This record gives sequence, C-alpha cells and structure tokens, in this order.
Amino acid sequence: EPEVTQTPSHQVTQMGQEVILRCVPISNHLYFYWYRQILGQKVEFLVSFYNNEISEKSEIFDDQFSVERPDGSNFTLKIRSTKLEDSAMYFCASSIQGPQETQYFGPGTRLLVL
Amino acid sequence: GESVGLHLPTLSVQEGDNSIINCAYSNSASDYFIWYKQESGKGPQFIIDIRSNMDKRQGQRVTVLLNKTVKHLSLQIAATQPGDSAVYFCAENNRDDKIIFGKGTRLHILP
Repeated sequence: EPEVTQTPSHQVTQMGQEVILRCVPISNHLYFYWYRQILGQKVEFLVSFYNNEISEKSEIFDDQFSVERPDGSNFTLKIRSTKLEDSAMYFCASSIQGPQETQYFGPGTRLLVL
Repeated sequence: GESVGLHLPTLSVQEGDNSIINCAYSNSASDYFIWYKQESGKGPQFIIDIRSNMDKRQGQRVTVLLNKTVKHLSLQIAATQPGDSAVYFCAENNRDDKIIFGKGTRLHILP
C-alpha cells in the first residue's frame, strides 16, 4: 500500500540553524500538507500546497518557514532560523484532491532545537 | 481561537464495551469532519469522515454522528479492542485548504 515517507525521523539542531525536513508524498496525490505537533498537544495545520504554490497557511507559518517541491517526488519544509519553540513533531500529509479527500500522514520528523 | 475541541481528555473503557468519544465544534461554516487515530510515535491515521449533509455514517466497527444543531460530533467504536488504544482527534474543514484539529482524547482499554 502506498504511503507517505519522511526523513529524517529525528533531527537535533542548534537554535538559529536552518533545517530542511523532507517528505515523499503518495505519487498520484496532488495536495500536500505540513502539520506540527508539540509534545502532548494537538496537531496544528501549517501549510497546504497545490499546483506548485501555497494554497493556505496558518499564522504559525511565518517568514521563517518555506515549502518547496524541488522535483516530482519530494516536498520539503524549511525553517530558516530555528527557535526553541520550533521543537515538535512535524508531519507531512498528502491527498488525491483537496482537504475534503482522505489525507494520508507520514510517520513524522521529531525536531529538537537546543 | 480554536473552533474544534473535545469534552474529555481521557476515556477508559472495558475491553469489549462500546466507546463514545465526543467533540464540539464552533464554526458553523464547517462542512466536512474527520476522525483521526494517533498511536504513540505515529502520524494521525484517518478513521472515518462525514459531510455536513449527513448526520450519521458507519464504517467497520466505527460510527460517526453529526449534530449540526448543537455543533457536536461523536465517534462510536463498537466492541473496543486493545488495539483501539490511542489518541483520537476530531478535525474540521470549511471548504478552504486547511484542516483544524481538536485537542484529542486518549482512549484507554481496560482488560
């Protein structure tokens, strides 16, 4: 069964450093998403991406964040200058069409900012 | 502020009994609702969804009920099994390109 994959599974970085989290969505899906989940809290929407552009973003997704689909398979989330409060699990998801179709989530990347 | 929330953070149910997990939403414009299951260390997993033109939808051992009058959503799990132990999130969408999650309810299965 096709699945969303994410790398790395864990990332430790120093405050102020740039990180890039990688995702490979399911191949025939057209919509891609990033979410984050701070430990013990709910899942928070960050951004949705369709047709090579951001279609929706939350207040969390400020200028420090960017997304890119650099090739036909990868979908990346970049945090330019990490802060302590960026420590969280980051989940990528994809859906065939928009958010009112089933979203399939990856296993997540645990980011720890020191 | 949040438009989706849950009444109880933790629910303990005897194995074999039925579980009912509740969710309240405040955005009357939302027209699509989803329940996700999240096991420890994993990403959310789709369980079942419902659109606002329905009030009930059934899946395998799960039923979602939607009461638009009081903006309430519930997930019923029949004959709860140990593998049902997880955190359950409701989520909503109001025709834009984002899904808003509620806080989550942890379901404990008692032997």
